[in-house]
Amino acid sequence: GAGVSQSPRYKVAKRGQDVALRCDPISGHVSLFWYQQALGQGPEFLTYFQNEAQLDKSGLPSDRFFAERPEGSVSTLKIQRTQQEDSAVYLCASSLGPIQETQYFGPGTRLLVL
Amino acid sequence: SQQGEEDPQALSIQEGENATMNCSYKTSINNLQWYRQNSGRGLVHLILIRSNEREKHSGRLRVTLDTSKKSSSLLITASRAADTASYFCATDDGGYQKVTFGTGTKLQVIP
Repeated sequence: GAGVSQSPRYKVAKRGQDVALRCDPISGHVSLFWYQQALGQGPEFLTYFQNEAQLDKSGLPSDRFFAERPEGSVSTLKIQRTQQEDSAVYLCASSLGPIQETQYFGPGTRLLVL
Repeated sequence: SQQGEEDPQALSIQEGENATMNCSYKTSINNLQWYRQNSGRGLVHLILIRSNEREKHSGRLRVTLDTSKKSSSLLITASRAADTASYFCATDDGGYQKVTFGTGTKLQVIP
């Protein structure tokens, strides 16, 4: 079936603006991850969902970042009052089961905060 | 924070040559994985090696793991221009698959 999709692919925001990034995981995948990737760096973990439960949000950099997955499928990462340091690529990944499965990544959303 | 560090940071080789990149990590792991990322694209899983394995092959890829040295290497044989990408190692310590990525090696294969 279709892979992980993310929208929008590119987002330009003015500093202080709120943004919402969407992730559509592979159908039936239990686990969903969000990562932040700064330019020239590896992805850094933000948060993890198992179905609709957010089991780990230890990587969220501040309380301006919020993620949800209310029905256990589509997930939204929201960033409030964006700052320039939020500029990065936000990657979503999903995997079939909860334990030690290959993660399938979406193409990412490139966020630029001016 | 990044768990792994890849070495070298950048590598440029001619098509047909072998490419070797290394990853060092800091804490005990359950698995180590290698991913490829083409410019502007998401990551693609290449290979997973478990902590009780020492070597694994997949096509033109060969991965080794030395848990005593907390290091892994990825060898790509007979490289092709299409192998041009960034390569990341990622480790997990068990549990629900939370992985920690390294800093990446940028590989350029010149046709």
